[in-house]
Amino acid sequence: TQLLEQSPQFLSIQEGENLTVYCNSSSVFSSLQWYRQEPGEGPVLLVTVVTGGEVKKLKRLTFQFGDARKDSSLHITAAQPGDTGLYLCAMKTSYDKVIFGPGTSLSVIP
Amino acid sequence: GAGVSQTPSNKVTEKGKYVELRCDPISGHTALYWYRQSLGQGPEFLIYFQGTGAADDSGLPNDRFFAVRPEGSVSTLKIQRTERGDSAVYLCASSLSPGTSGGSYNEQFFGPGTRLTVL
Repeated sequence: TQLLEQSPQFLSIQEGENLTVYCNSSSVFSSLQWYRQEPGEGPVLLVTVVTGGEVKKLKRLTFQFGDARKDSSLHITAAQPGDTGLYLCAMKTSYDKVIFGPGTSLSVIP
Repeated sequence: GAGVSQTPSNKVTEKGKYVELRCDPISGHTALYWYRQSLGQGPEFLIYFQGTGAADDSGLPNDRFFAVRPEGSVSTLKIQRTERGDSAVYLCASSLSPGTSGGSYNEQFFGPGTRLTVL
């Protein structure tokens, strides 16, 4: 049983389109992170959200943390081929151990 | 500055063999983590070191897996009697120090991983 669920599992879109990916859990998060992983590389942290209802923006990426801190979304505006990768949500436990979701594989076609 | 490095980048071995995977963390990072990532999945926690000691090894799947960090810097993940199901990318990450639960978070920096293939 996955502690974290992500949807969709795969997403293929044209350059310039907008998209949203989702992360949810039956548990309350103390904090939630989003990572991007490119082929042959390790995950790279994009953002950490802590407060319920929090919204953070990183250029064309908007991250939202649900009010109940059990879900989160990542919205990308005007996607570019450089956005291609595996997007992972993750929760932090004690000792900063990170539990990852299964990921959303995004492909942006030029 | 140098990031986390892992060697080898690829390792092909035969079922039943012994393998060692090496991780060089960022200098000064006291916390070190090993994860395993199977195809199409997110990374799965294996073990966490704070300094030289394994503070949490709850993710190691069985006693064929063992990891050491004798001097609190470089770590080696050792797998005995490899099985085909061990095939995966093994990721290492390091951070300055562990945060407290619900408190401050220290970013983990990941290496590129070692792709292990067991034939």
